[in-house]
Amino acid sequence: EAGVVQSPRYKIIEKKQPVAFWCNPISGHNTLYWYRQNLGQGPELLIRYENEEAVDDSQLPKDRFSAERLKGVDSTLKIQPAELGDSAVYLCASSLMDTEAFFGQGTRLTVV
Amino acid sequence: AQSVTQPDIHITVSEGASLELRCNYSYGATPYLFWYVQSPGQGLQLLLKYFSGDTLVQGIKGFEAEFKRSQSSFNLRKPSVHWSDAAEYFCAVGSGGSYIPTFGRGTSLIVHP
Repeated sequence: EAGVVQSPRYKIIEKKQPVAFWCNPISGHNTLYWYRQNLGQGPELLIRYENEEAVDDSQLPKDRFSAERLKGVDSTLKIQPAELGDSAVYLCASSLMDTEAFFGQGTRLTVV
Repeated sequence: AQSVTQPDIHITVSEGASLELRCNYSYGATPYLFWYVQSPGQGLQLLLKYFSGDTLVQGIKGFEAEFKRSQSSFNLRKPSVHWSDAAEYFCAVGSGGSYIPTFGRGTSLIVHP
């Protein structure tokens, strides 16, 4: 069974530029999460989807971050414009209803 | 709100020695608890989980953890560490009594030959 797939693995951009991350969850998993992991810290939840509905986006900085999960399968997280402080690893995870989350390898973003 | 404390930022052990990584949680009811491992450049892999029942939980790669309600702890143990165990270990509690993990800051395990 394929795991959670994220792309790209690495991204370097200049500040004020836009960037997008893509995630394909495990087949059949209805719940999808985006986490941000700053250097030396644990992951922090940005947004959670149940199917195509964002049910928890309270920690998503909505002035510059947006996410979508069209058709309730894969998802895209976008930052526009990026700031230096956005440098982090962005992790996607998925789960079935009421089960543990499985994580992808993450996208390491560096903003210069 | 629920939270997790991992008091040790770094732990250094010799290969073959036993290991215990500490985790304390804050949550009013019986929590869902997890341990994840993250190797360099990799995502998070679930080692084990506790939802209910037997308080001693067995996981993958020879790890186990014990849920102690009286101490609000869920410490991770391994009897004999291998060099390949060097990684970052994260304890997590299910947010609001759910399976949505809220993570601690992690403990970095260094293994000496």
